[in-house]
Amino acid sequence: EIVLTQSPDTLSLSPGERATFSCRASQRVTSGYLAWYQQIPGRAPRLLIYGSSSRATDIPDRFSGSGSGTDFTLTVSSLEPEDFAVYYCQQYSTSPYTFGQGTRLEIK
Amino acid sequence: QVQLVESGGGVVQPGRSLRLSCSASGFTFSYYGMHWIRQAPGKGLEWVAVISYDARNQLYADFAKGRFTISRDNTRNTLHLEMDSLEIEDTAIFYCARAGGGGLRWYLDNWGQGTLVTVSS
Repeated sequence: EIVLTQSPDTLSLSPGERATFSCRASQRVTSGYLAWYQQIPGRAPRLLIYGSSSRATDIPDRFSGSGSGTDFTLTVSSLEPEDFAVYYCQQYSTSPYTFGQGTRLEIK
Repeated sequence: QVQLVESGGGVVQPGRSLRLSCSASGFTFSYYGMHWIRQAPGKGLEWVAVISYDARNQLYADFAKGRFTISRDNTRNTLHLEMDSLEIEDTAIFYCARAGGGGLRWYLDNWGQGTLVTVSS
C-alpha cells in the first residue's frame, strides 16, 4: 500500500498570502496519478488537481500542482477567504487508492 | 449537471448488514467508473472501493475485502455498496464519487453529499 504523508498538518496564513502543501508518497506514484481535493467542513470534497498538475473544471488558476515520483506539491498563489479548508492528496496509480491524512488551512 | 445522491444510511447494530445506494443523473452513467469513499467523524478521507464502467472489474481497500461488495445497475443509473458484518469502526459518512473515466485508475471528479452510517448497539 502506498502511504501518503502530507505536511504540515496545519497551515496558518492570511488572505493574500501564498500557501504550499506537500504530499510525500512511500513508493513511486506512476504516471503522475496524483490528485488534490479541497473539503470545506460539513461539505463533500471537491476535485482541484488531477494528474499531479492539471486543474479540474472551474478551478481558479491560483491553484496549481506539481511534482512527480514521490514528491508532490499544491500551491495557492494568493489566498482568498473561501480557500480556508482541509486539503487532501490521493494517489490512484496503485490499489488501494490511498489518501493523505489532510492539511488544514486556517486563517491566521 | 452531474448529480450523485446517496441513500441507505442509518443506525445499525454491530454484526448486521446495510446496503447503500447512489443515484446518478446528469451524465451517461454507463460510461464511468464509480467509487465509494468514507470519512469517520472528525477524521480524514478513506477510499473504500471502485467498480469499472461495465461492472467487470472491482477493487477494494483491505478493510473492505470480504465484507463489502460494490455493484452497479447501469439500467437504473445506480451504484450500490453492500456492507456485511459491520463493526463500530465502520461508522462514517459514505460518499459515492464518479471517476474521471471508465476504468479503475482515475481521479474522482464529482462527489455526492454523503450518507451517514452509524454502527452502534
